[in-house]
Amino acid sequence: EIVLTQSPATLSLSPGERATLSCRASQSINSYLAWFQLKPGQAPRLLIYDASSRATGIPARFSGSGSGTDFTLTISSLEPEDSALYYCQQRSNAWTFGQGTKVEI
Amino acid sequence: EVQLVESGGGLVQPGGSLRLSCAASGFTFSDYWMYWVRQAPGKGLEWVASINRDGVDHYYVDSVRGRFVMSRDNAKNSLYVQMNSLRAEDTAVYYCATDLSPMVRGWAYWGQGAQVTVSS
Repeated sequence: EIVLTQSPATLSLSPGERATLSCRASQSINSYLAWFQLKPGQAPRLLIYDASSRATGIPARFSGSGSGTDFTLTISSLEPEDSALYYCQQRSNAWTFGQGTKVEI
Repeated sequence: EVQLVESGGGLVQPGGSLRLSCAASGFTFSDYWMYWVRQAPGKGLEWVASINRDGVDHYYVDSVRGRFVMSRDNAKNSLYVQMNSLRAEDTAVYYCATDLSPMVRGWAYWGQGAQVTVSS
């Protein structure tokens, strides 16, 4: 099983600041990584797929990078509505999620 | 517009069974892989099961393999998961999801979720 480890567990930042979220895979997953945003009472929202491709309708302040085992989700200038949980997910070998990073603004 | 609507959730005793359904519309259902994902109370997201386009190949997380069976009816644009031998740890909101497109594998479309509670 491929394990995804996200860091930090919680990120507390101010509006306009840059957020950098990390996701590390236990083995190489090429670029088969996605990022999701989860807010209470809502279904997950796909932000990034294949490590760096932004999903339809996702603001340009969200960007993804990385390949192999190390990946990053960057939110370039935080908006209040970006307060949420963020999960990475791999599809290289079955499917697994990381444990999540909470972004507090 | 793509829509996924889950149904069939509820309260069930440990050891019992439940069948969730997911009605799909707004896309060519038979062209897409489909997925079940769950979120237990206070926990993160967990992939549960996947099924390929024609329903021949299924994949399960270890914790449900042998107890859950995922299926689909492409003629009815419907997805199912039969959950047997339910345990307290299966309590969660269950979502069905699918990809952005047949060739773009990112889970862009999600249902609203169905609550499953396993308790005596």
